[in-house]
Amino acid sequence: NAGVTQTPKFQVLKTGQSMTLQCAQDMNHNSMYWYRQDPGMGLRLIYYSASEGTTDKGEVPNGYNVSRLNKREFSLRLESAAPSQTSVYFCASSEAISRLRQETQYFGPGTRLLVL
Amino acid sequence: GDSVTQMEGPVTLSEEAFLTINCTYTATGYPSLFWYVQYPGEGLQLLLKATKADDKGSNKGFEATYRKETTSFHLEKGSVQVSDSAVYFCALASGAGSYQLTFGKGTKLSVIP
Repeated sequence: NAGVTQTPKFQVLKTGQSMTLQCAQDMNHNSMYWYRQDPGMGLRLIYYSASEGTTDKGEVPNGYNVSRLNKREFSLRLESAAPSQTSVYFCASSEAISRLRQETQYFGPGTRLLVL
Repeated sequence: GDSVTQMEGPVTLSEEAFLTINCTYTATGYPSLFWYVQYPGEGLQLLLKATKADDKGSNKGFEATYRKETTSFHLEKGSVQVSDSAVYFCALASGAGSYQLTFGKGTKLSVIP
């Protein structure tokens, strides 16, 4: 049981390049999330997927797109990377059966992204 | 909107000292409250949680009590160890129907021998 896995662990991009961050979970969770972590800012939600087939914007969605490929996988795409997107990106998942029932979120190890 | 405020760090303590990290929140409805811990180079792990007023969450010697009257969820540990050195995040899940977790900015704790 690997929990939440993310690839790659580290990536360097040039401004304008594109890339996709991959996330997978093996806990059969309904909901998945993408956060970014910046110094002094805590974690901020980029996008989330409450269930397979649905995605919604979080606090900071600009410059990102997501795909919920199936129940296990949730990818984050940067179409044209900018230096402001230099950050550590975390994927998380939770049971979250409904809006009235909040379950613990389980986090992956993170992807460190540097945009030059 | 929802918000979480936790004490600024960094905090440096000697081994076996008492730890308190303050956390207060603003939220609609009846949120669930969490403490997450992030060890160097790793993702966040749930440390403890409380889902209703007066609940006490506890794990690994850490405790926090959900105080609705003061909108607080302070983290405490009676005797810290070097292995507790990490960044601690307070977070809430709003009872108003959001899937999102709202995080505080984190408090870095360093414990010296």
